[in-house]
Amino acid sequence: NAGVTQTPKFQVLKTGQSMTLQCAQDMNHEYMSWYRQDPGMGLRLIHYSVGAGITDQGEVPNGYNVSRSTTEDFPLRLLSAAPSQTSVYFCASRPTGTGIYGYTFGSGTRLTVV
Amino acid sequence: AQRVTQPEKLLSVFKGAPVELKCNYSYSGSPELFWYVQYSRQRLQLLLRHISRESIKGFTADLNKGETSFHLKKPFAQEEDSAMYYCALLNQAGTALIFGKGTTLSVSS
Repeated sequence: NAGVTQTPKFQVLKTGQSMTLQCAQDMNHEYMSWYRQDPGMGLRLIHYSVGAGITDQGEVPNGYNVSRSTTEDFPLRLLSAAPSQTSVYFCASRPTGTGIYGYTFGSGTRLTVV
Repeated sequence: AQRVTQPEKLLSVFKGAPVELKCNYSYSGSPELFWYVQYSRQRLQLLLRHISRESIKGFTADLNKGETSFHLKKPFAQEEDSAMYYCALLNQAGTALIFGKGTTLSVSS
């Protein structure tokens, strides 16, 4: 049981490049989320999903796309990277039902856009 | 509006001193609240859930609905407690967490 796995751990992009941050979980969790973590801002929700085929926007969705074709995977796509997207990105998941179990987090992807 | 406020960016204490990390929330109804801890450049780990009323690593947190608070407390801080602490609220739809901006706890000897 690996939990929530994020790849890559580190990435440097040039402005305008696109890339996909991968997130996979092996706990059969229906709920998954993407957050970005910036100094002094805490964690802000980018997109979330409540099951395969169902996604929705969070607080800061601009510049990012998501899809959820399987329960296990929830990739985050940067369409045209900008320096403002330099951040640490975390993926998280939880089972359905009440939220008492909290979310399990991945180890993060540290992205730098130059 | 659903919101979590952590008023302190940084809390510095000496080893053995009591610790209280403040968290206030705004929510209609019965909130589901959590404390997460992040050690240096690592993933967030669930520390406490208000519903379970547990004590983890000596930390406790009590939900006070009258004051809309969920402060994290520990009677005697240890150096290994130094970390970033986030208070989080499950949103009304139950679909995601809303985080405060975090408090860095620094424990020195």
